[in-house]
Amino acid sequence: NAGVTQTPKFRVLKTGQSMTLLCAQDMNHEYMYWYRQDPGMGLRLIHYSVGEGTTAKGEVPDGYNVSRLKKQNFLLGLESAAPSQTSVYFCASSKRTGLNQPQHFGDGTRLSIL
Amino acid sequence: DQQVKQNSPSLSVQEGRISILNCDYTNSMFDYFLWYKKYPAEGPTFLISISSIKDKNEDGRFTVFLNKSAKHLSLHIVPSQPGDSAVYFCAASAYMGATNKLIFGTGTLLAVQP
Repeated sequence: NAGVTQTPKFRVLKTGQSMTLLCAQDMNHEYMYWYRQDPGMGLRLIHYSVGEGTTAKGEVPDGYNVSRLKKQNFLLGLESAAPSQTSVYFCASSKRTGLNQPQHFGDGTRLSIL
Repeated sequence: DQQVKQNSPSLSVQEGRISILNCDYTNSMFDYFLWYKKYPAEGPTFLISISSIKDKNEDGRFTVFLNKSAKHLSLHIVPSQPGDSAVYFCAASAYMGATNKLIFGTGTLLAVQP
């Protein structure tokens, strides 16, 4: 029972490099989310998707792009990595939105930009 | 502008005693609130939630209290166990067009001493 799986778990990039973080969920959830967590701050929403083929901006979308080509996958891309994007990234999914539909999180990707 | 605040970065409690974690919010439009628990190197896991129309919700050892007039909620854990040692995030839900957005506090690290 995998739930939400994030790949990779750790990555070190140089400034200007690009990469894609993969999130996969096996719960047939409609909604998926990408967050970042920085020291002294709560999780902040980067982008989200309410269904296959849809994406929307969250609180801190600049410097990131996302795609949801398949219902079970949500990709987060960094086109030109910057040191300010050093963070722990969490993917989450939920069946629907609402009180009794909590978001389920993956274990995170720790990303360092040098 | 932090809409959800957890003013205590850490809390230490003896095993068997009560743990009280606090959370304040500023936006009266939040319609429900959640608590998540996070162990190191893992993603947050949902613990308990409460609708803005209630003032208390209980689930086993965990009870969440909501004081709307004070814009304050608290999580009570009774009795506390060493396995409860983790970071606890408070989150508030706000509707943002297509889905409910979760706004997280900065977290409180709970240490339960045997």
